[in-house]
Amino acid sequence: GQNIDQPTEMTATEGAIVQINCTYQTSGFNGLFWYQQHAGEAPTFLSYNVLDGLEEKGRFSSFLSRSKGYSYLLLKELQMKDSASYLCAVLDSNYQLIWGAGTKLIIKP
Amino acid sequence: DADVTQTPRNRITKTGKRIMLECSQTKGHDRMYWYRQDPGLGLRLIYYSFDVKDINKGEISDGYSVSRQAQAKFSLSLESAIPNQTALYFCATTSGRATGELFFGEGSRLTVL
Repeated sequence: GQNIDQPTEMTATEGAIVQINCTYQTSGFNGLFWYQQHAGEAPTFLSYNVLDGLEEKGRFSSFLSRSKGYSYLLLKELQMKDSASYLCAVLDSNYQLIWGAGTKLIIKP
Repeated sequence: DADVTQTPRNRITKTGKRIMLECSQTKGHDRMYWYRQDPGLGLRLIYYSFDVKDINKGEISDGYSVSRQAQAKFSLSLESAIPNQTALYFCATTSGRATGELFFGEGSRLTVL
């Protein structure tokens, strides 16, 4: 079966750096996506990786290793507004998105 | 105004009632999706549509039906609601086959008593 694993919850301190990991086993691979979802709101697109390596976008970076079935989302200079759930999703060989259950990130002052 | 609009935003209904959730989008996208989200389970695909004449079941379509009335409108129906259909429902759109960048509506929170 297809599976995406990410930690259920993480806690970090305002101003610090946090890395949220995602491992996947899917039928084929056509890209990995990270979304941010604040409580009670819709998910919003953050980043996309299809080739190995690091993609940087401001305070957020996303890394992909296709051979290891592994990605991480790196958040720098954490702000209180970064408190949210972060969803990892993989586009499989049928171009269907397979979603992880999400990681709830709690930022403490 | 939001690009993807869902109505109603919140609904409480009773077991056995029929309910419809509506979604409309102004992004001009052909592909539309209905997901449900439950705590700890992530997003699960109910139905998806690539155009008005192309509707497909997702992983959890039992108990649901959909209608694509126009390119911009995609409705989800629960013919006879049951309590385990209590969830947060999202409509989403995307521009093409090879993209996982979805644009979501604000969500419809449904409670079935």
